[in-house]
Amino acid sequence: GAVVSQHPSRVICKSGTSVKIECRSLDFQATTMFWYRQFPKKSLMLMATSNEGSKATYEQGVEKDKFLINHASLTLSTLTVTSAHPEDSSFYICSAREGGSGGSYEQYFGPGTRLTVT
Amino acid sequence: AQKITQTQPGMFVQEKEAVTLDCTYDTSDPSYGLFWYKQPSSGEMIFLIYQGSYDQQNATEGRYSLNFQKARKSANLVISASQLGDSAMYFCAMREGGPRYNNNDMRFGAGTRLTVKP
Repeated sequence: GAVVSQHPSRVICKSGTSVKIECRSLDFQATTMFWYRQFPKKSLMLMATSNEGSKATYEQGVEKDKFLINHASLTLSTLTVTSAHPEDSSFYICSAREGGSGGSYEQYFGPGTRLTVT
Repeated sequence: AQKITQTQPGMFVQEKEAVTLDCTYDTSDPSYGLFWYKQPSSGEMIFLIYQGSYDQQNATEGRYSLNFQKARKSANLVISASQLGDSAMYFCAMREGGPRYNNNDMRFGAGTRLTVKP
C-alpha cells in the first residue's frame, strides 16, 4: 500500500516556541491531505483539510493562526504549531488521499507525531 | 452532519474466538464509505476494511469482515480467530460522498479497545 511519512515522530519543545511537522506521501501524489489531533485514549479529531496549492479548510474551533498548514506540493504538507503551549501537547496524525482518476477510496495515514510542550 | 458511534469502550475476547465490534452511523448522504482502522500502541493507523454504501455484499479481508446492515445504519467489524496481536484500539470511520474523486474528510468514532486474552 501507499506510504505516508511524518517527521519528526516525537518532539519536545518549550512553551512559546514553534514546531513544524512534515507529512509526505512517498509513492503517490496527494491532492488532499488531512491533519488530525488525538488526545490520549481518545478518537482522532479532524483539524483541517488541505488541498495542494490552496488554503487549508479548518474545522470549527481550530485556530488557523495557531496551526499553520502549508500544502505546497503534491507530496508534502506541513503543520506548524505556533507559540506552543502545554495544552497543545498531543498526537498529531496526517493523512493523504490520491486524487484524480487514479484516486481510490483508501486514505493513508502517517505514523503520527507526538508533541510535548514543556 | 455525519456521526459515528461506537458504544463499546472496551472489549475482551479469548484467543482464537471471534469478536464483533459495533459501529453505527448517521448520514443523510446516500453515497458514503465506511472504514475500520486498527491503532496499536505505536499509534499508527492501520487500514483494515472498507464498505461502500452501494456495495451489495459485505466486505471481507482475511480474518476481518464487515457486517453491513444499511437499513439499521450499522457497520460492525467481525474479527475471526482472534490473535494476541489483535489487541489494539479499533476505530470505525465514515466519509460521505462517492468513493472516488472525493476529497471529503473522514470522521471517526470514539474507538473500542480490544484485548485478546491468551
